[in-house]
Amino acid sequence: RKEVEQDPGPFNVPEGATVAFNCTYSNSASQSFFWYRQDCRKEPKLLMSVYSSGNEDGRFTAQLNRASQYISLLIRDSKLSDSATYLCVVNQGGRRALTFGSGTRLQVQP
Amino acid sequence: DVKVTQSSRYLVKRTGEKVFLECVQDMDHENMFWYRQDPGLGLRLIYFSYDVKMKEKGDIPEGYSVSREKKERFSLILESASTNQTSMYLCASSANGGLETQYFGPGTRLLVL
Repeated sequence: RKEVEQDPGPFNVPEGATVAFNCTYSNSASQSFFWYRQDCRKEPKLLMSVYSSGNEDGRFTAQLNRASQYISLLIRDSKLSDSATYLCVVNQGGRRALTFGSGTRLQVQP
Repeated sequence: DVKVTQSSRYLVKRTGEKVFLECVQDMDHENMFWYRQDPGLGLRLIYFSYDVKMKEKGDIPEGYSVSREKKERFSLILESASTNQTSMYLCASSANGGLETQYFGPGTRLLVL
């Protein structure tokens, strides 16, 4: 089983739609959780950290469910510029390193 | 702004050549990382370093070595390049290992012929 699993997509949605991505992780000792965004042929960049109580940044909402070892990202009112691959990222609990999911590709269409 | 730079954006090498990929960060970060990214496999950790002259194996260290002689610089070495090492190589740095945000360089796309 992969340490971090994501649906690869692609998710094709119209502008203005709400879309949700899910991610599961296998290491119950993980402490830090992130969503990164990667544009085509570019490096990954931090989108947002994910906190236990859930957190929001504008149109983006992240949720963490430790009991189910599950992380989600909700994007409201999708924009064309949201088209990218979204990477679920988890620290490995005890190792000073992060594990990246393979990513979920989002294509927002006009 | 954190800046992580990598020595080359594109590199073409022949099988058996020794390849050096260099990464420099300007934020005085203790931790530096090397990943490779392949379609369908995502980012995989090759090696990381949490201090000068310190290194730890990641998930796929075979065929690679690293060097960290100065805090700001982390080098990835392919001792004898092989075609299965054709990939995108990404360097990252962070202030606090796996608990903090990692900042990535632009990547080096390596083709081994």
